[in-house]
Amino acid sequence: TQLLEQSPQFLSIQEGENLTVYCNSSSVFSSLQWYRQEPGEGPVLLVTVVTGGEVKKLKRLTFQFGDARKDSSLHITAAQPGDTGLYLCAGRQGGSEKLVFGKGTKLTVNP
Amino acid sequence: NAGVMQNPRHLVRRRGQEARLRCSPMKGHSHVYWYRQLPEEGLKFMVYLQKENIIDESGMPKERFSAEFPKEGPSILRIQQVVRGDSAAYFCASSQERQGFSNGYTFGSGTRLTVV
Repeated sequence: TQLLEQSPQFLSIQEGENLTVYCNSSSVFSSLQWYRQEPGEGPVLLVTVVTGGEVKKLKRLTFQFGDARKDSSLHITAAQPGDTGLYLCAGRQGGSEKLVFGKGTKLTVNP
Repeated sequence: NAGVMQNPRHLVRRRGQEARLRCSPMKGHSHVYWYRQLPEEGLKFMVYLQKENIIDESGMPKERFSAEFPKEGPSILRIQQVVRGDSAAYFCASSQERQGFSNGYTFGSGTRLTVV
C-alpha cells in the first residue's frame, strides 16, 4: 500500500498549457515537500509546505497543502519544455526524520 | 560550493560480491540519509545517521546491508553478497541539523548499482 498516491502517473502536454498534479493520502503529514528529478540525477527540492491550507508560489509553479494536511497539489502555468521531469511529493509524519515519497508524476512538455 | 557527493556514479557487481557506496555530505552537514529507488518506484527510506551514530535504520533490510558515518570521512552504505534484487539507484541526502519543518534535503546524484 502506497502511503502517498500521486496522479496522474504520466502527463504529456504541449508547451504553453497549464497542468495540475496531485498528491493524496489518508494520513496526516506534519509537512510535505515537492521535488523534481531529472533522469540520472537526484531529486531537487522545490518547496516545503507546513501549514494546512498553505499556498506557495515559485514563478510559474503554485503549491497547495490541503486544509487537513493529507494532500497537496502542484499547478504549473504555461508549461515549458524545461519543466519536463519527474515530480515527487514527500511527506513527514510527526517528528520523524524519514520522508515518505510518492511514486511521482512523469511530466513531458513538448515544444 | 560542492553539494552532496556520491561515488561511484555507476557500480556493477556480480552476484555474491560486496558493494560499497560512498557519500560525502555538504560542508557543514552532519546528518546523512540513504534512500533507495527501484525502477518505476518512489524513493524508500533506508537509514538516517549522524556522525558515529545510527539514528534510525528502520528501512534497512535486516541482513546484508549496513551503514556507517565515521567521525572522519564519508558515509558508507555496504551491501554484502549482492543479489539481482539489489539493483537500484541509491541516493544519499544530507542536512545541517535535524530537519525543521521548513527544511528539505539536499540529495546527491546517486549511485546506480547493477548486479549481474
